[in-house]
Amino acid sequence: GMPVEQNPPALSLYEGADSGLRCNFSTTMKSVQWFQQNHRGRLITLFYLAQGTKENGRLKSTFNSKERYSTLHIKDAQLEDSGTYFCAAESSGTYQRFGTGTKLQVVP
Amino acid sequence: GGIITQTPKFLIGQEGQKLTLKCQQNFNHDTMYWYRQDSGKGLRLIYYSITENDLQKGDLSEGYDASREKKSSFSLTVTSAQKNEMAVFLCASSSRDRGSDYTFGSGTRLLVI
Repeated sequence: GMPVEQNPPALSLYEGADSGLRCNFSTTMKSVQWFQQNHRGRLITLFYLAQGTKENGRLKSTFNSKERYSTLHIKDAQLEDSGTYFCAAESSGTYQRFGTGTKLQVVP
Repeated sequence: GGIITQTPKFLIGQEGQKLTLKCQQNFNHDTMYWYRQDSGKGLRLIYYSITENDLQKGDLSEGYDASREKKSSFSLTVTSAQKNEMAVFLCASSSRDRGSDYTFGSGTRLLVI
């Protein structure tokens, strides 16, 4: 299967709601990154993790290498959070591979 | 702050044409990447380069050439454009030992007629 499986493929949230996105890996990864792609197509880095958990404002990400997954949690969703979220993970000796993305729509 | 610039922003080519896309960064990053993104899909790595004159194949290198002329620039050539091809090509760069500074350009949108 694909080295990086991302779900759900699409998600709709009301403003103020909380939700989580997940990436599962087919093999042990040494690091993971999360990106947001806005409506203009611009990709920005949200998190880079080699292990554990990081928080930035309303966003929190966790990476569990042993259990082969990573999550991105969005708290108090805002309209500007809309976009497509990608995880990308790297295993030893090879390059980073991207998941297929989660398209998030935040509605009023 | 640094910047990563892709040119051109839009590219219209004809079937069979050789097309070149350029990417420049002033972060002094060691590694540069070229990705292809098809509409509604994820990113697939075409080529990457860990230093000047280095070239490594990604998952999608067939049909493409790349060149890392100097540390700050990385170009991608579509060797023979396919009719009705439409995709966005994204360039990125990062430090060798710090993946946390991964930065993307704004993309080149390709349409082949």
